Amino acid sequence: EVQLVQSGAEVKKPGDSLKISCKGSGYIFTSNWIAWVRQMPGKGLECVGIMYPGDSQTIYSPSFRGQVTMSADKSISTAYLQWSSLRASDSGTYYCARVGGGFDIWGQGTMVTVSS
Amino acid sequence: EIVLTQSPGTLSLSPGERASLSCRASQSVGNTYLAWYQQKPGQAPRLLIYAASNRATGVPDRFSGSGSGTVFTLTISRLEPEDFAVYYCQHYGRSPWTFGQGTKVEIK
Repeated sequence: EVQLVQSGAEVKKPGDSLKISCKGSGYIFTSNWIAWVRQMPGKGLECVGIMYPGDSQTIYSPSFRGQVTMSADKSISTAYLQWSSLRASDSGTYYCARVGGGFDIWGQGTMVTVSS
Repeated sequence: EIVLTQSPGTLSLSPGERASLSCRASQSVGNTYLAWYQQKPGQAPRLLIYAASNRATGVPDRFSGSGSGTVFTLTISRLEPEDFAVYYCQHYGRSPWTFGQGTKVEIK
């Protein structure tokens, strides 16, 4: 079964750092781009950016460039999204998704709560 | 950046009725890189349609997509109880990839 499994919910304070993960299985992880999508509470979907695990090429949406970092460890089929200094406005649910004719496989989401 | 505008914001219908959801793009996205997703409360989105008119694996044939250029439509021929959800369109051609704001299909 093709699936993406994400790390668990996080509660952080403003200024904290954070790295969340997305592990792929059931397919060749380096063959597809991986997207990260944010959904703020009660709101719609926003594309954070995409990365290619094969060579770690990244493309960030303008709103997120410089705010987050995407990376991957292809040896363990895992993609990451990280923040060096969280803000309250980073709160939301973050999904990873496989890019394959649209976003065809989604992780279950990681809820990030940033509050003092 | 391509802006996608979905209408209506909310669609109130009864089971068995036909639903037509619209997605308009601020500039042409061709017909290759337009997708539709369904999202239910507490769940991740699910891909329904890719390349404007191709159903994703396992998607019932009551769902269909059409359009090209700047105007796209998702049609649900006969609403089933499990179809009441929020639907998003998305373009995934030239970066940045963007989503519409969503259309909620609710039970009348």
